[in-house]
Amino acid sequence: DIVMTQSPDSLAVSLGERATIKCKSSQSVLYSSNNKNYLAWYQQKPGQPPKLLIYWASTRESGVPDRFSGSGSGTDFTLTIGSLQAEDVAVYYCQQYYFNPQYSFGQGTKVE
Amino acid sequence: QVQLQESGPGLVKPSETLSLTCTVSGGSISSYTWSWIRQSAGKGPEWIGRIFSSGSTDYNPSLTSRVTMSLHTSNNQFYLELTSVTAADTAVYYCARDEGAFDIWGHGTVVIVS
Repeated sequence: DIVMTQSPDSLAVSLGERATIKCKSSQSVLYSSNNKNYLAWYQQKPGQPPKLLIYWASTRESGVPDRFSGSGSGTDFTLTIGSLQAEDVAVYYCQQYYFNPQYSFGQGTKVE
Repeated sequence: QVQLQESGPGLVKPSETLSLTCTVSGGSISSYTWSWIRQSAGKGPEWIGRIFSSGSTDYNPSLTSRVTMSLHTSNNQFYLELTSVTAADTAVYYCARDEGAFDIWGHGTVVIVS
């Protein structure tokens, strides 16, 4: 199994401050042939499905504010919320889509 | 824009078969790959499997013995069957467009096994 481990499980951030979430994969998700990391980030609010924020580890989905950014390569990745807004309170998940057919998600990080 | 809507029974008895439908609107089911994902209360999502526009499938190895996916292009729908359910299959079930990353999701349907 490909295990995605996020840290921390939860964090409290003041409005306007930076939030940083880590995601570690048990195996590399970097495909050397195209130099792409098969890693996505999602935001989930209560009662809603996850919303795609970032794919290819660092590409923002259309319409996602630029305060959200993704970085990292191989097995270690980071989601950064540059200046936390009230509407960013949610649970965030990373997901690898490198290993088929074993897509897997992290356990989630709750941002308060 | 493409929208997805899950439908099916909200309550299934243990040992029976869970059957769900995902209806795609605003786009053709034949143009993309589609996945089913579930999420138990308080946990991260779990990928169940995917179906290509050709009808071929990939399933999560942990569920492959119990899962069948299919599609009906003329109805613009795809389907999930999960056999021999137990309480551990209680979850919110989502359908999603599969680009590797899941860019479009349905709102989800709650399935309780009891």
